Amino acid sequence: SQKIEQNSEALNIQEGKTATLTCNYTNYSPAYLQWYRQDPGRGPVFLLLIRENEKEKRKERLKVTFDTTLKQSLFHITASQPADSATYLCALPNPGGGNKLTFGTGTQLKVEL
Amino acid sequence: KAGVTQTPRYLIKTRGQQVTLSCSPISGHRSVSWYQQTPGQGLQFLFEYFSETQRNKGNFPGRFSGRQFSNSRSEMNVSTLELGDSALYLCASSLAVDTEAFFGQGTRLTVV
Repeated sequence: SQKIEQNSEALNIQEGKTATLTCNYTNYSPAYLQWYRQDPGRGPVFLLLIRENEKEKRKERLKVTFDTTLKQSLFHITASQPADSATYLCALPNPGGGNKLTFGTGTQLKVEL
Repeated sequence: KAGVTQTPRYLIKTRGQQVTLSCSPISGHRSVSWYQQTPGQGLQFLFEYFSETQRNKGNFPGRFSGRQFSNSRSEMNVSTLELGDSALYLCASSLAVDTEAFFGQGTRLTVV
């Protein structure tokens, strides 16, 4: 089965800086990879989906890269704000089809003033 | 449009009891997935239903079951509850295969 590693240690950065989160996976190469944000006690919220033939994708202050050779995705938040503080999860699809997702353990980001 | 709705939001049950959780997906979404989230194990996939058929299943014991109705609403049932079943149960709906999942607020189940 797919194993996904995200930095389990919390990431603390200063407001205005760029936060970079890492998602590494083993075994098969997925057709796409997704990033979600989760606030305490709430369900995850979809942020970005990047497909295997896309090297980079952007949405406002968010940027995701996907390196299928390294089996790694990087998630960047530029000009970070305290409101960006949350847990960020990467998720990979099931190779057998359907909408089954395997999630990483998430990285907790804290943006300080 | 309305998001994914899960009921109830909170539940307290006793060991050995059974529980049924409900999920109403976004209108038009026929795929509904269920996940269990605990501090130790993170988000783990339970099962997915599409057009009333189970399409994927995770590695959970048979005490965990689900179903989907013709209007795409879904329920999951846990029988013979154990203390370890205490978790946040999340439902997600998707419009199509390989698209983003929209999650509900979850049902916080506490087994005492």
